[in-house]
Amino acid sequence: SQQGEEDPQALSIQEGENATMNCSYKTSINNLQWYRQNSGRGLVHLILIRSNEREKHSGRLRVTLDTSKKSSSLLITASRAADTASYFCATGGTSYGKLTFGQGTILTVHP
Amino acid sequence: GAVVSQHPSRVICKSGTSVKIECRSLDFQATTMFWYRQFPKQSLMLMATSNEGSKATYEQGVEKDKFLINHASLTLSTLTVTSAHPEDSSFYICSARALDRRNTGELFFGEGSRLTVL
Repeated sequence: SQQGEEDPQALSIQEGENATMNCSYKTSINNLQWYRQNSGRGLVHLILIRSNEREKHSGRLRVTLDTSKKSSSLLITASRAADTASYFCATGGTSYGKLTFGQGTILTVHP
Repeated sequence: GAVVSQHPSRVICKSGTSVKIECRSLDFQATTMFWYRQFPKQSLMLMATSNEGSKATYEQGVEKDKFLINHASLTLSTLTVTSAHPEDSSFYICSARALDRRNTGELFFGEGSRLTVL
């Protein structure tokens, strides 16, 4: 079954607003990561949160992890048009590195 | 930062031909590389895990004779789509795990290769 189900599937906001994306997963994890993908490009690693962490910040990004609910959220504050992209959560079971990706959220930020 | 180069970025080929896609880690050594396939507006599907000097491990449902993977060095893995058919048209993305950061879980991705089979 697919790990990392995300919602919403698509999100459209205005510049300056915050964007929140959620990710749920089914099995135990070692870590959860968020990636960004611009259309037709590769993935860029945004942030990794370990299973023993609850919250992590990186610039305008804030990630939370609730292992009891098997869910994570990615918050982008003060969004910019350049944040327009697809965002994927990915779960890793071990330090081996194999990741399973969610379906992704397509974020559109209107200038 | 760690850079992964993928080549070619776009390739168009005729049905029945074979296509090779290269994935190189430019400034780090990668013991493990992963090959993903992505259909339009969909997520990434892991095809196989490639370990330097050994045979690749394929995910269920992925034909190993169709998608040949070679990881001959710590900086290069190749994916060859053999006897390509239109249904093989897709976006193929590789990723690499740095040898010196293998416990971080972080992967570095190439820019992807878009294959179109006519």
